[in-house]
Amino acid sequence: AQSVTQPDIHITVSEGASLELRCNYSYGATPYLFWYVQSPGQGLQLLLKYFSGDTLVQGIKGFEAEFKRSQSSFNLRKPSVHWSDAAEYFCAVGSNNNDMRFGAGTRLTVKP
Amino acid sequence: EPEVTQTPSHQVTQMGQEVILRCVPISNHLYFYWYRQILGQKVEFLVSFYNNEISEKSEIFDDQFSVERPDGSNFTLKIRSTKLEDSAMYFCASTPRLSYEQYFGPGTRLTVT
Repeated sequence: AQSVTQPDIHITVSEGASLELRCNYSYGATPYLFWYVQSPGQGLQLLLKYFSGDTLVQGIKGFEAEFKRSQSSFNLRKPSVHWSDAAEYFCAVGSNNNDMRFGAGTRLTVKP
Repeated sequence: EPEVTQTPSHQVTQMGQEVILRCVPISNHLYFYWYRQILGQKVEFLVSFYNNEISEKSEIFDDQFSVERPDGSNFTLKIRSTKLEDSAMYFCASTPRLSYEQYFGPGTRLTVT
């Protein structure tokens, strides 16, 4: 079965600084990759997804992610973080059967 | 835009009681899922459902759990005899086909006392 590792449990960045959240996956076939954001007590909002094609994908709220097959990674980036970006971020990998596996999440704190 | 809906938003129950969590997937979707998220932890896959039967289930989905699509619109998760450790947020999701994005509902927070 597929699995996801998010090495960083908690990241703090200053507002306006750039951000990169790491995600590594394990899956034998071509993965379907996702980034979700979750604010406290809220549901999951899809930021972006990768199924095939261009390995650099653009998402909502100015986020992007790059699929690197050689590194089994799908890191999330944002050039300039806003205070409203503070939340929990989950990377997920889907299989051909569509059952998804989520990483443990990275909590983002934004300093003023 | 169509959405997955879940009811109730919060359910409180006593240990040992049965609970049914309800989901209304997006109307033309064919594949349905339940996930759970224990407070402060990651989202965990429970079960997938297609063509009126379970396609896949995780080790969490033991005999205390069952799913059903009782009519053309609802998709339910039943926990037969709740335990304290069943306290979590439960998310329903649906998708029109395989190898496609899943659409998540807002979740039901289950509190077992």
